[in-house]
Amino acid sequence: DTAVSQTPKYLVTQMGNDKSIKCEQNLGHDTMYWYKQDSKKFLKIMFSYNNKELIINETVPNRFSPKSPDKAHLNLHINSLELGDSAVYFCASSQEGGTRGAYGYTFGSGTRLTVV
Amino acid sequence: LAKTTQPISMDSYEGQEVNITCSHNNIATNDYITWYQQFPSQGPRFIIQGYKTKVTNEVASLFIPADRKSSTLSLPRVSLSDTAVYYCLVAPDGGATNKLIFGTGTLLAVQP
Repeated sequence: DTAVSQTPKYLVTQMGNDKSIKCEQNLGHDTMYWYKQDSKKFLKIMFSYNNKELIINETVPNRFSPKSPDKAHLNLHINSLELGDSAVYFCASSQEGGTRGAYGYTFGSGTRLTVV
Repeated sequence: LAKTTQPISMDSYEGQEVNITCSHNNIATNDYITWYQQFPSQGPRFIIQGYKTKVTNEVASLFIPADRKSSTLSLPRVSLSDTAVYYCLVAPDGGATNKLIFGTGTLLAVQP
């Protein structure tokens, strides 16, 4: 049973389209995150949600809109896709109070988004 | 959050011990040192964490000197399946407010 699952695994789309990536965790964690890994392999946080409340919103274009219907799900909707949005997007989760430093984070296997 | 510096890549052969060193000169008193492993097409996976001295688990050992300005991840007797990118992170407790900073990581290539 996958702990943090993302769909789809691969997404190829044209510039200007709108797309969504879904994430679900079955760990009972109350905090979820979106990270972006660019072509140089840097992993950067985009958003974090705690119990459906937005906690971190990094300097991400407002074309990116996260939505958390419940604490087990965090979806990412992207409007008007641009070439520079091509990257691997990782969802992660952790238990508030259960992390120590960078311990306790579980990542999904990523969604490779290619904008053509 | 403290910045980390590690070698971009390392090569090794099966059966050898591999040591990857990470520099974190600006580490704060409340920072922990954590290492993650990332295989191609997968998300990062926790390997080991420490605060000071030495920590060992079934996968690796982590050596941290007294000044904590660096740390060394030691992988005993590596195999081909240990080929991956290894990230060193330093971060305090923070939970949902924690902005984990992943650096370039070290690409370890294990050859037969």
